[in-house]
Amino acid sequence: KNQVEQSPQSLIILEGKNCTLQCNYTVSPFSNLRWYKQDTGRGPVSLTIMTFSENTKSNGRYTATLDADTKQSSLHITASQLSDSASYICVVSGQASGGSYIPTFGRGTSLIVHP
Amino acid sequence: DTGVSQDPRHKITKRGQNVTFRCDPISEHNRLYWYRQTLGQGPEFLTYFQNEAQLEKSRLLSDRFSAERPKGSFSTLEIQRTEQGDSAMYLCASSRGTSGSLHTGELFFGEGSRLTVL
Repeated sequence: KNQVEQSPQSLIILEGKNCTLQCNYTVSPFSNLRWYKQDTGRGPVSLTIMTFSENTKSNGRYTATLDADTKQSSLHITASQLSDSASYICVVSGQASGGSYIPTFGRGTSLIVHP
Repeated sequence: DTGVSQDPRHKITKRGQNVTFRCDPISEHNRLYWYRQTLGQGPEFLTYFQNEAQLEKSRLLSDRFSAERPKGSFSTLEIQRTEQGDSAMYLCASSRGTSGSLHTGELFFGEGSRLTVL
């Protein structure tokens, strides 16, 4: 069964600090991994995509890493802002029973940035 | 507005009633997904369409649930004989299909339809 596990479940940091969120997955065969940001009451929005051959990718203050051997990814947020408060969800695309590749979502890490 | 739109945004119903949600994807996207999300959880996959064909259905999709995408454009998700456990946010997403079966396209989500079953 395809699974995506994230840690920590929740995180509280002060504005301006850095943080790192973790994602472990057991999805096979692997297609790609994305990190999504979901504000409360809204649909998720993609931050970055990682394919099998990529180790690191940055998008502004967000940097994602991928270790396809250990099936782990991390999302590092630098110089956090109040607007970063949201749920960050790791999404891994793997093959479903019908043969199609379906994105599987983790439970997310709830990040709260305090002033 | 060219994003994914869902209707209604909120639905309150009594147990045993039927409800239907509609999703209008981004017009050039041939792939459409339905997910369900409860508080504190990530979205759980329900079903997937490529054009009008329903190619994947999760075991979460009991026989009370049915989804259609009759012309490969908008989609509907119907829940019959609703139960309190059906209370959740129902998210629709669309993406542009890529060659072969590999999915690399970004999912674009609607704002969701929140269902409350009393």
